[in-house]
Amino acid sequence: GAGVSQSPRYKVAKRGQDVALRCDPISGHVSLFWYQQALGQGPEFLTYFQNEAQLDKSGLPSDRFFAERPEGSVSTLKIQRTQQEDSAVYLCASSLLGQGTEAFFGQGTRLTVV
Amino acid sequence: RKEVEQDPGPFNVPEGATVAFNCTYSNSASQSFFWYRQDCRKEPKLLMSVYSSGNEDGRFTAQLNRASQYISLLIRDSKLSDSATYLCVVTRGNQGGKLIFGQGTELSVKP
Repeated sequence: GAGVSQSPRYKVAKRGQDVALRCDPISGHVSLFWYQQALGQGPEFLTYFQNEAQLDKSGLPSDRFFAERPEGSVSTLKIQRTQQEDSAVYLCASSLLGQGTEAFFGQGTRLTVV
Repeated sequence: RKEVEQDPGPFNVPEGATVAFNCTYSNSASQSFFWYRQDCRKEPKLLMSVYSSGNEDGRFTAQLNRASQYISLLIRDSKLSDSATYLCVVTRGNQGGKLIFGQGTELSVKP
């Protein structure tokens, strides 16, 4: 399909394990965002890329969280030494560059840390 | 205090009812405004943008008051299919369209 694709859809990790979440944005979309959504809450901003440049990572909760988009297309969010409080849905969104343009979301990766 | 705040939910209404959601934002530099809809266990999807002059899309009307930093969404003649969580969203200038979400208001329309 032509939408934003995320994988895996579900991930169960043991506490202390490293995980990598993948996002394939819509082709041609310059902007890519990662959000974290806890149950019953709105999505919380994690980080933003414009092409391959990470312009804002102010929302990353700790240095265990790392994101990259090396070729300006696919992005990976990596969480090292996962903890139970990392359990959430991780949403990726992409958009054409500019204010007021619609952001399209992937279906998310539901991470459960046990 | 969160940057975008919404009415607490859930709202439980009968089919055909009119329901209004309110939202306030604290940053006066906010530039663009949206309502997103999120169905249970699904991703958020754009419902409508919100313009200063107010705008309507079928049964949905959105209003923006920049002076009061207040956004509203009115749904007329509610349908069962309107049941979802409604997210108020703002963006700030010079941040590439970064979306800042409220916590969402859950709507349940009953027969």
